[in-house]
Amino acid sequence: AQSVTQPDIHITVSEGASLELRCNYSYGATPYLFWYVQSPGQGLQLLLKYFSGDTLVQGIKGFEAEFKRSQSSFNLRKPSVHWSDAAEYFCAVGTNTGNQFYFGTGTSLTVIP
Amino acid sequence: EAQVTQNPRYLITVTGKKLTVTCSQNMNHEYMSWYRQDPGLGLRQIYYSMNVEVTDKGDVPEGYKVSRKEKRNFPLILESPSPNQTSLYFCASSRDLPFYEQYFGPGTRLTVT
Repeated sequence: AQSVTQPDIHITVSEGASLELRCNYSYGATPYLFWYVQSPGQGLQLLLKYFSGDTLVQGIKGFEAEFKRSQSSFNLRKPSVHWSDAAEYFCAVGTNTGNQFYFGTGTSLTVIP
Repeated sequence: EAQVTQNPRYLITVTGKKLTVTCSQNMNHEYMSWYRQDPGLGLRQIYYSMNVEVTDKGDVPEGYKVSRKEKRNFPLILESPSPNQTSLYFCASSRDLPFYEQYFGPGTRLTVT
């Protein structure tokens, strides 16, 4: 069965520091990979997605993610974090052999001034 | 404005009292889905629908029903709610398959006492 693992439940970074959120997936074929962000009390917003092609994808708000097939990973990065980036981040995977969609358990990001 | 709407946003009910959470989208999307979000578990898919009259179970369908009689609407029905269904529920829609961007509703916080 497909699964998505986000090993870091909570991360704290200083404003201006770099950020990397980890995501690993389990799926036999090429997955469709996503990162969503959920601000407090809000719904989910798509940050970026990977379907095929260039393994480094750019998203909104200065985020990027790199697909590494050999490591089954799709880590999210940002070179300089802003206080407004404090939120919960979810990695997710969709498949083309089924119509389900799987989320990781999320990583909560705190940004300290 | 393109959006997914859910009603109600907040609901407190008692065990066994049937309830319906409505979901509507105005983007002519074919794919719609329901998720529940619980602390430490991320979002889990309850049911999804590929099109009108086509629905299927996600990972946690027990205790829920759905229907898709019109393209724009995808209500979630709890025929006999139980306390373990206390959760935050999100409806989402996408163009056709789940690996296109899913647009999420604002969420419905349900408490079953």
